[in-house]
Parts: sequence; C-alpha cells; structure tokens
Amino acid sequence: KQEVTQIPAALSVPEGENLVLNCSFTDSAIYNLQWFRQDPGKGLTSLLLIQSSQREQTSGRLNASLDKSSGRSTLYIAASQPGDSATYLCAVSNNNNDMRFGAGTRLTVKP
Amino acid sequence: NAGVTQTPKFQVLKTGQSMTLQCAQDMNHNSMYWYRQDPGMGLRLIYYSASEGTTDKGEVPNGYNVSRLNKREFSLRLESAAPSQTSVYFCASSVSRWDRPNEQYFGPGTRLTVT
Repeated sequence: KQEVTQIPAALSVPEGENLVLNCSFTDSAIYNLQWFRQDPGKGLTSLLLIQSSQREQTSGRLNASLDKSSGRSTLYIAASQPGDSATYLCAVSNNNNDMRFGAGTRLTVKP
Repeated sequence: NAGVTQTPKFQVLKTGQSMTLQCAQDMNHNSMYWYRQDPGMGLRLIYYSASEGTTDKGEVPNGYNVSRLNKREFSLRLESAAPSQTSVYFCASSVSRWDRPNEQYFGPGTRLTVT
C-alpha cells in the first residue's frame, strides 16, 4: 500500500526566503506525482504534475523534483511571499485512478 | 467554465439521517472521484468512476454509495450518517491526457457535521 509522508508538518519563514518542502513515498512504481496548494476552507489547486518518466517541473517561482528510486519529491519555492502562505499537499498515483495524499505542510510566510 | 462544482457547501445532520452530496464538472472529463479530508490527515479516496456507468471502491468506501448519473455528474450518498463521517468532502475530476496523466481538478468541498 502506498504511503505518503510530508515533513515538516508546519513551516514559518520570513518573506523573501527560498524554501524546500519534502514529500516521501513508499512504493516507487508510481504513475505520477502532483503538488497541490490548499487555502483555508478552500479546495485544492494543482501546482505541478510530474510524470513518472520526468525528473522535474517548473512553474514560475516553483520547481518540483522527483527521485523515484529514493521515493522522494521536493517542492522548491523561490523568493517566498506572504501570498504563498497555504497548505501544500503532495499526492502520488500508482495507476490511472488511485491517488494517495500526504497530510500536507502548512506554510506561513511572514512579512 | 465553472470547473468542478459541489452542493451543498455546508450541512449538519443528525445520526441516522441520510443525504446526497452532489458534484458536477463541465470539463468533459471521463473520471470523477470523491475524497474525504480529516484534520491532520491527507485526503482519502472514497469512490471513483473511471467512466460513465462504472464505479469502484477506493480506500474508505464503507458507509457510502455513489452514482455516476451521466458524464457530468457524480453523487455521494450517506444512507445512515454517523459522527465518524464528520469531515470535509471533495469531488474531483480528471482526463487522461498523454502529457498530464490523471491530473485532478478539485471542487470547493462540502463541510459535513454529524451530531
């Protein structure tokens, strides 16, 4: 059974800092990995999707990497802003329909 | 283009009552999903539908039933609500594109409290 872990559970940084969020998974035979953002009381917004054959994806200040052999992914946020404050969720698919989520990292960026 | 919509946004039920959560998507996606999110835990898959007319159990299906009414709509029914079903319920949909396989799009959620 795929298990997804995100560390740390919460992170607080000053504005402007670069930061890394971590995601680990137990079964390396993945189909894809997706990073989401969730604002309080809201649904999930897809940030980046990495296919199993890819090693990284970039969107603006965000960069996600994937190392299947070690069961890890990282989400790098450059030059953090207060508007980046949210919970970031990592999710792993082992097939075309089943997605397993981590519990998330709650990020606070202080002005 | 509204994406994925869910109704209601909030609901309070008494133990033993029944209700149906509604979900609709206007993106012509084949697959639809129901998840629940509990504090301190990731989302867990309840049921999914890979195409119109098919449904399959996910990780936590007990106490729930689903109906894929047509390609757009996927409903989740609680026949006899229990306090353990207090949660936030999310509906999602996806399309299998070669370059973005199983990229899921989520609705805003339904907050359900069972007393």
